[in-house]
Amino acid sequence: DAKTTQPPSMDCAEGRAANLPCNHSTISGNEYVYWYRQIHSQGPQYIIHGLKNNETNEMASLIITEDRKSSTLILPHATLRDTAVYYCIVRVAGSNYKLTFGKGTLLTVNP
Amino acid sequence: GAGVSQSPSNKVTEKGKDVELRCDPISGHTALYWYRQRLGQGLEFLIYFQGNSAPDKSGLPSDRFSAERTGESVSTLTIQRTQQEDSAVYLCASSRSGTAGNTIYFGEGSWLTVV
Repeated sequence: DAKTTQPPSMDCAEGRAANLPCNHSTISGNEYVYWYRQIHSQGPQYIIHGLKNNETNEMASLIITEDRKSSTLILPHATLRDTAVYYCIVRVAGSNYKLTFGKGTLLTVNP
Repeated sequence: GAGVSQSPSNKVTEKGKDVELRCDPISGHTALYWYRQRLGQGLEFLIYFQGNSAPDKSGLPSDRFSAERTGESVSTLTIQRTQQEDSAVYLCASSRSGTAGNTIYFGEGSWLTVV
């Protein structure tokens, strides 16, 4: 798997957009970008994933740069319940079946 | 059920005892994974099942750890002669298949405390 680099921590005001960056400069053309979050050692929760195009679902948006070397997870209106560790993971299509978790970004949403 | 189900949710056991942890994956998911997370630490991959076979057992920390899966559904993780360092949350996950385009969904974990 391509390695990812995330800031260890970020703060965001409640109600504002949270923009979480991830660098994956060695990503290959067949590697997906996945985002998960974990709230206080609960099971990791899937958020979103993408290959080349930007993606949006009910939880978040994923913006992937044209060269695919970085991406940004956007939580449009952060709430206190979004405080969690956010993991950006790249995963090779076809042969690589598991997720390898790094240290992620601790997002703290402040009132 | 709709999600990955694990039992027990909490287990306290004495050092040296054996424990079994159970995972019910999402119906129809052929890929099943076990992870471990010690308090304040990252997630460690333990084992991967595709159907009933385990092509990757590379994360099992010692021969005290074993896992099986039957009927392409339920999986059991067994820890023999538990040690205090086995204390952790054990997370099970499943996906429709083992390929990267298929999302992996996690259960809420089984908290194991060895005293």
